[in-house]
Amino acid sequence: DGGITQSPKYLFRKEGQNVTLSCEQNLNHDAMYWYRQDPGQGLRLIYYSQIVNDFQKGDIAEGYSVSREKKESFPLTVTSAQKNPTAFYLCASIPDRGYGYTFGSGTRLTVV
Amino acid sequence: DAKTTQPNSMESNEEEPVHLPCNHSTISGTDYIHWYRQLPSQGPEYVIHGLTSNVNNRMASLAIAEDRKSSTLILHRATLRDAAVYYCILRRALGLIGSSYKLIFGSGTRLLVRP
Repeated sequence: DGGITQSPKYLFRKEGQNVTLSCEQNLNHDAMYWYRQDPGQGLRLIYYSQIVNDFQKGDIAEGYSVSREKKESFPLTVTSAQKNPTAFYLCASIPDRGYGYTFGSGTRLTVV
Repeated sequence: DAKTTQPNSMESNEEEPVHLPCNHSTISGTDYIHWYRQLPSQGPEYVIHGLTSNVNNRMASLAIAEDRKSSTLILHRATLRDAAVYYCILRRALGLIGSSYKLIFGSGTRLLVRP
């Protein structure tokens, strides 16, 4: 079945470390997104990519970086510049001319 | 900035209809109204969407006010599996090219279904 795979499910980061969250989709969707969710709140957009080798900042991009070298993959790096990285991170995609997002099952990042 | 406002929580009995309200008074003319639901530690799941007219699908119905400043998600017969956080969302275009959109989330309504 097609879908979005996020890994790892849980991730622990030490202060000052960079960590990379994986997002892979086999839906042949062009557009991919990264959202952040804090407890009891809705999602906020970090970065998005419409096509390979192109990506744009969302509302809360500071302290994050992304790449889009392949259509299927859109990894997110949480850098040491992100001062409050503990959150639930969700990757999503949508087909061209589509209306419904498909979300992955998320990565829960905790700073220790 | 655009946002949606929903009750923090609602309760329903199993097999009864549920009406989940949402206010979006700052909606722009091209924003679509989307509803997603989320179970704990999972990604949101698409439920339904609309622009101006009421919409029905196998999961739910969406009633949109004539001025588009509010909408209501209707679950016709709530089941225990419908217990989730329901998000009323505005889908806004990010550019002129392609199909990139941003989902503007509110805080959601936690629906509790009593057996």
